[in-house]
Amino acid sequence: GDSVTQMEGPVTLSEEAFLTINCTYTATGYPSLFWYVQYPGEGLQLLLKATKADDKGSNKGFEATYRKETTSFHLEKGSVQVSDSAVYFCALSSPEYGNKLVFGAGTILRVKS
Amino acid sequence: GAGVSQTPSNKVTEKGKYVELRCDPISGHTALYWYRQSLGQGPEFLIYFQGTGAADDSGLPNDRFFAVRPEGSVSTLKIQRTERGDSAVYLCASSLAGGVDGTEAFFGQGTRLTVV
Repeated sequence: GDSVTQMEGPVTLSEEAFLTINCTYTATGYPSLFWYVQYPGEGLQLLLKATKADDKGSNKGFEATYRKETTSFHLEKGSVQVSDSAVYFCALSSPEYGNKLVFGAGTILRVKS
Repeated sequence: GAGVSQTPSNKVTEKGKYVELRCDPISGHTALYWYRQSLGQGPEFLIYFQGTGAADDSGLPNDRFFAVRPEGSVSTLKIQRTERGDSAVYLCASSLAGGVDGTEAFFGQGTRLTVV
């Protein structure tokens, strides 16, 4: 079945450092890809998405590009802030399966000031 | 309401008891999903409703788990004869439609179930 593998954490960075969280997927079709974020004490919320190959999703300074050739959707940010500390989940969905989400295990990001 | 609402936020129950978890989705959202998240893991799919009907219940772990959405809005996840392994955070999400590419799902804050 479809699956998502993402970089293990926790990832600890200093403020203004460059962030990469790796995500690769396995899917039988052409899924949409997502990054969801869970801030401390809050529910899961969508950070960004891409629906087809070579699309780039972006939001709040974060970016990820849908790479079909490497089945990847790595999350990047050029300069992290303390407020970015959270758990980040890579996920995929396909409309033929009702858009149910398949999640990776999550990566904890800690940003120190 | 403004977002997806789940009640209760916390539930502690004894092994063998029956529990009900409630989800109130965003008004107008026809698709509703239940997920289960164990500590240190990503959410795992349980069941998907499109309107009143369960379109996909392939994620329910066994027949102790059941969910309903009788009027196409509020949904209840029911767990019979609870076991300690059922302890997890149960998440509900809703979206405008289940079959549209890239549709965003909106999540509730979850119900933390602890079986003692």
